[in-house]
Order: sequence, then structure tokens, then C-alpha cells
Amino acid sequence: QQQVKQSPQSLIVQKGGISIINCAYENTAFDYFPWYQQFPGKGPALLIAIRPDVSEKKEGRFTISFNKSAKQFSLHIMDSQPGDSATYFCAASGPNQGGKLIFGQGTELSVKP
Amino acid sequence: KAGVTQTPRYLIKTRGQQVTLSCSPISGHRSVSWYQQTPGQGLQFLFEYFSETQRNKGNFPGRFSGRQFSNSRSEMNVSTLELGDSALYLCASSATTGLTEAFFGQGTRLTVV
Repeated sequence: QQQVKQSPQSLIVQKGGISIINCAYENTAFDYFPWYQQFPGKGPALLIAIRPDVSEKKEGRFTISFNKSAKQFSLHIMDSQPGDSATYFCAASGPNQGGKLIFGQGTELSVKP
Repeated sequence: KAGVTQTPRYLIKTRGQQVTLSCSPISGHRSVSWYQQTPGQGLQFLFEYFSETQRNKGNFPGRFSGRQFSNSRSEMNVSTLELGDSALYLCASSATTGLTEAFFGQGTRLTVV
């Protein structure tokens, strides 16, 4: 019940294309869903986060879509650029988790020029 | 505003030794969480400290411990190091405990030989 499942494990997208990464969770008490971007040798950087009271949140080229009934959420990167090549992690947390984030396994995104 | 500072960046230790890692959170932030990142297990929560008190603990052996000081700086200690403890140890800073944005440092790369 504590797992967050992320797919795909790796993704190759052409420059200008849309990158889509999906996550699914089981614990219905989760109510905070952030996405992180990590470059080699760096710590994860918070990209965008959503709470279940909205179905979509957009910040620049990054959009989170949230489906509460399906217990799924996804990250869409529009107009993908080579500089977006990184590993992306979804995460989830809930009111009984304190500061604990439960992370997906990560998606290695490569954007080809 | 300065980010999360972790020291040292790299460490090489021998099996059986102990190690102490340090984390200075963002100024004004009072919650510090620690995570272990490995290629096989991904990002796993170790513990969270808020106002010098451990609020939550992950599923790690007692060899892993931590503390937080009155200025919110945190240390984590690993005793009797094992080869499997080789990992990137990440510290995350949040303004308060609970469902708030967490900002990561660059991590400490620990290698146990």
C-alpha cells in the first residue's frame, strides 16, 4: 500500500516532442504528489506538485494530470528539449506520513536533438 | 536564499567504521529529512527531524541514526559500515513538517570499501 509505481523506466523523445511519465499509487490517504528532476551528480530538484483537489496543474512546459479515481498521475513535458534529459521521479505523501515522501523508481529521459 | 548544504560531498570509508554526515537546511526551514539513494532501491526515506525531534523513521537498521540541533542543522550517523551502505545520502529541507515542499541538497556520496 505504500508503493508508488512509475513507468516507463526509460524514455527517448525527439526534440520538440511530448514526454509522458506515469505513476500509480495504492494508498488512498496520499494527498500530495510532487515530481522531481535529477541530473547526474545533483540532488533531486522539485519541479511541480499537485494535490487531489485539482485534476491538472501546469507550470510552463510541465503539466501534471491527476486521476483520483484511478489513483494515477502523470507528468507531461511539452516541447521537450535536450536540456530536459534527466531522471524524473514521482513521489507521494499523506497526512500520516509526516515529512516522508515515497518515491517511484524513476524514469531516465533522453531528448534527442 | 542559500540552498540546502550537505557536507562532505564525497566520503570513502572502510567496512566497520562509522561516518557522520551533515546537513544545513534552507534558512528558516525547521524540518530536515534524510534519504538514501541507490541504483537498486531508488530513493528511500531514512528519517525526519522537526524541532529537534525525530518525527518519522524509515525501515532501516538501528545503525542509522540522526539528530537535529536547535539551529535546525542535522547530522546523520551510520555505525559499523557495511558494503551495502554505499549510496548517495540526500538531505531535504522543508519549512515545516507535513505536506510541504521539500528541497534537496546535492547529497553526500558514501563509498564503503
